[in-house]
Amino acid sequence: SQQGEEDPQALSIQEGENATMNCSYKTSINNLQWYRQNSGRGLVHLILIRSNEREKHSGRLRVTLDTSKKSSSLLITASRAADTASYFCATYANNDMRFGAGTRLTVKP
Amino acid sequence: DAGITQSPRHKVTETGTPVTLRCHQTENHRYMYWYRQDPGHGLRLIHYSYGVKDTDKGEVSDGYSVSRSKTEDFLLTLESATSSQTSVYFCAIRDQDRPQHFGDGTRLSIL
Repeated sequence: SQQGEEDPQALSIQEGENATMNCSYKTSINNLQWYRQNSGRGLVHLILIRSNEREKHSGRLRVTLDTSKKSSSLLITASRAADTASYFCATYANNDMRFGAGTRLTVKP
Repeated sequence: DAGITQSPRHKVTETGTPVTLRCHQTENHRYMYWYRQDPGHGLRLIHYSYGVKDTDKGEVSDGYSVSRSKTEDFLLTLESATSSQTSVYFCAIRDQDRPQHFGDGTRLSIL
């Protein structure tokens, strides 16, 4: 069964806008990771945030983690057409990693 | 890309036939994983390995077996393929508590 659930399932925005995706989970975690998947390819790791961290940045990506609400968000700023992909959150705990069903992001030029 | 190669990349076969998918890594990572990806389900873990000859079941292991006789190779076998096993299969590797690195997948169709 999935641990993380992404919201929304699909998101369509214009180039230059910001994109926000959310992930909720049910049990305690060691860390939470975000991955990206381009069509026909494997998942690529974007960013990892540990359970004792609240916010993390990597380039145009900003991830927050609220362990009290068991939720995380991924913000992509100044989106580009090349950001079009599916984005997955994955929770890691006790050597077990669980993926959500993903958010499909479309960035229109 | 991390050194992961999945083979074959595409396969079409008939119900009842045996199928073996191969995952090969050049990173010497301890952990290897097999997932299947289906619409609406995200990635679901089939089996994983934490060392040579050390494997364990994931959440959707029925109908699948695995073997790891060498650090670099992790094989996934469908002993008698069924149409419900039509899916895209991904292999992943991991070192210690680092993120997973994924192969490009095998698209398997069972008719």
